[in-house]
Amino acid sequence: DTGVSQDPRHKITKRGQNVTFRCDPISEHNRLYWYRQTLGQGPEFLTYFQNEAQLEKSRLLSDRFSAERPKGSFSTLEIQRTEQGDSAMYLCASSYEGHYGYTFGSGTRLTVV
Amino acid sequence: KQEVTQIPAALSVPEGENLVLNCSFTDSAIYNLQWFRQDPGKGLTSLLLIQSSQREQTSGRLNASLDKSSGRSTLYIAASQPGDSATYLCAVWNNDMRFGAGTRLTVKP
Repeated sequence: DTGVSQDPRHKITKRGQNVTFRCDPISEHNRLYWYRQTLGQGPEFLTYFQNEAQLEKSRLLSDRFSAERPKGSFSTLEIQRTEQGDSAMYLCASSYEGHYGYTFGSGTRLTVV
Repeated sequence: KQEVTQIPAALSVPEGENLVLNCSFTDSAIYNLQWFRQDPGKGLTSLLLIQSSQREQTSGRLNASLDKSSGRSTLYIAASQPGDSATYLCAVWNNDMRFGAGTRLTVKP
């Protein structure tokens, strides 16, 4: 197991386009989290899944954002009609429950031009 | 709502110095606290995880302490090296994980 994988590492898109990111968690982990991080700030929670169920969504997750975790394995985060304010690092993490700490992926850097 | 604060925001020290990074949180009802390291443009690397029943954890030159009652944690780095230069993030967990804004550390050769 090589840890949490995120793809792509970088994405540059024009405003108004849709983008989709993928996260592959550690296989034994039942929880998967998405965070967003802007320059100089700590990561901010977006949403999390326990197995395939999406249990919590932050108010930061507007209607343009949607996340899925089919079959409780990998997850995708889609942003529709991207805006310049969506430019950020999108981080994925997984854990076995939450008591044992999170393992983060390397992130996807999104730049909206 | 849990608020996590890290002081200082930035720190520059000469190589070899021992240093302390501080983290405070407003809600002491946490299950654990985790310290991460983040290099520029990269993801987060876990350094130390302290469960709520523990007082400290050590890994190599790193030692993290936790005082739940006062809502504080410290990360002690001994004999700092230029390779320690990074942003250090503190996060507390109680059903979800809340992060501080980090301390940006520069260790000068």
